[in-house]
Amino acid sequence: DTGVSQDPRHKITKRGQNVTFRCDPISEHNRLYWYRQTLGQGPEFLTYFQNEAQLEKSRLLSDRFSAERPKGSFSTLEIQRTEQGDSAMYLCASSPVKGSGSTDTQYFGPGTRLTVL
Amino acid sequence: TQLLEQSPQFLSIQEGENLTVYCNSSSVFSSLQWYRQEPGEGPVLLVTVVTGGEVKKLKRLTFQFGDARKDSSLHITAAQTGDTGLYLCAGAIDSWGKLQFGAGTQVVVTP
Repeated sequence: DTGVSQDPRHKITKRGQNVTFRCDPISEHNRLYWYRQTLGQGPEFLTYFQNEAQLEKSRLLSDRFSAERPKGSFSTLEIQRTEQGDSAMYLCASSPVKGSGSTDTQYFGPGTRLTVL
Repeated sequence: TQLLEQSPQFLSIQEGENLTVYCNSSSVFSSLQWYRQEPGEGPVLLVTVVTGGEVKKLKRLTFQFGDARKDSSLHITAAQTGDTGLYLCAGAIDSWGKLQFGAGTQVVVTP
C-alpha cells in the first residue's frame, strides 16, 4: 500500500449534474477526512469518519453534499446539482489511531480537481 | 474560530539562500503539522510537532514549535530549486485530529 488514493483525479461537469468521488485510505487507517481547497487557500475541513461512523460535518457541507464510508474502508463524496462555486480541489486524508487522536498524523491523497462549467 | 496566519504569503529567493516561513495563531494547538504542496497534488507531510519549544530537523529544514504552542516556524538552509512549493501549516483543533490550515506560503527558488 503506497498511500491514499483518490479517483478520479480530474472531473469536469456541467452545472446541475451530480458527481461522486472516491477515496481509498491507507490500509488499517480508521480515520478518514475530507477537505476542500480553492485556489490560493489552504484546505478547509468538510467531514470525517471514524471507521464507518461520520462524526462531524462542516457548515461548508450543504445538503447537496453527502459522504459515506459504508464498510469503514473506502469513502465516497457525492455532490448533487453541482454549482460553479463547487469548483475546487477535493482532498481526502487518513490517519491511524495510535493514542491521543489530535497528534495522529494525516496523510493526504492527490486530490480530485472538480471544474463545474 | 482558531485561525492560523502564515507569513509571508509569497517568497522568491535564489538557490543557496536561506528562508524562514512563519505560522502564528492566538490559539493553542495540541499539535501542528507542516506540509508542502505542489500544483495539482495533495499536501505532503513534512513534520509533526507536538511539544512546546520542540525543534525538529529534517536535512536542511528546521521546524520549531513555540513554547506556548501557538506559533511555529520553518527554516530552510541553502535552498534548492526542489524546495519550490506551497508550504502549509495546520493545527489540530479537536481531539479527533481535525486540522485548521493556514493559507500557505508560496516559495519559489530560482537557479
